[in-house]
Amino acid sequence: GQNIDQPTEMTATEGAIVQINCTYQTSGFNGLFWYQQHAGEAPTFLSYNVLDGLEEKGRFSSFLSRSKGYSYLLLKELQMKDSASYLCAVREEAGKSTFGDGTTLTVKP
Amino acid sequence: DSGVTQTPKHLITATGQRVTLRCSPRSGDLSVYWYQQSLDQGLQFLIQYYNGEERAKGNILERFSAQQFPDLHSELNLSSLELGDSALYFCASSVKGTSKGYGYTFGSGTRLTVV
Repeated sequence: GQNIDQPTEMTATEGAIVQINCTYQTSGFNGLFWYQQHAGEAPTFLSYNVLDGLEEKGRFSSFLSRSKGYSYLLLKELQMKDSASYLCAVREEAGKSTFGDGTTLTVKP
Repeated sequence: DSGVTQTPKHLITATGQRVTLRCSPRSGDLSVYWYQQSLDQGLQFLIQYYNGEERAKGNILERFSAQQFPDLHSELNLSSLELGDSALYFCASSVKGTSKGYGYTFGSGTRLTVV
């Protein structure tokens, strides 16, 4: 099975940078995903890492270290609309992904 | 509009009843996944179908069942409902079951309230 840990809540200021960490213990690994979920809405796909290193996509970047079972999502130039829950998910086999409980990010003016 | 359609959006029903949730995946996607999200909890994987066949199963209760039809739409059946079954039920689809780099596309969810 999978065990995925991420902080429950984080707060940051508009315009700043925030890093959301995720650690995982897995019996199998076929990639790590980050999703954004606004309250009451569906999660939306943000990023994917399968090899070690940093993937950059605009204001969002995601990093993976497979040997450490560790990933982070970096959000730059924070905007108020970035207030949401951020979900780390590890793909096991056959496409099935296991999700962490999510990190609720609050961006303050 | 993500391309994944879930109906109904809201459902209120009594304990002991049975309901059916429906999902139409994004055009071209063969895999359908069902997840349950209760208040203050993460997404719990229920079941996956790929091109009509069950591919993976999570901690899905025996009272719950699902299927994927030849046109690739899927239905999740919940029976003998209990108060604790109240949750958001999401359907997601992806291009291929083991496709790398493709995240899920989620539907907007069905909010089930059992009273």
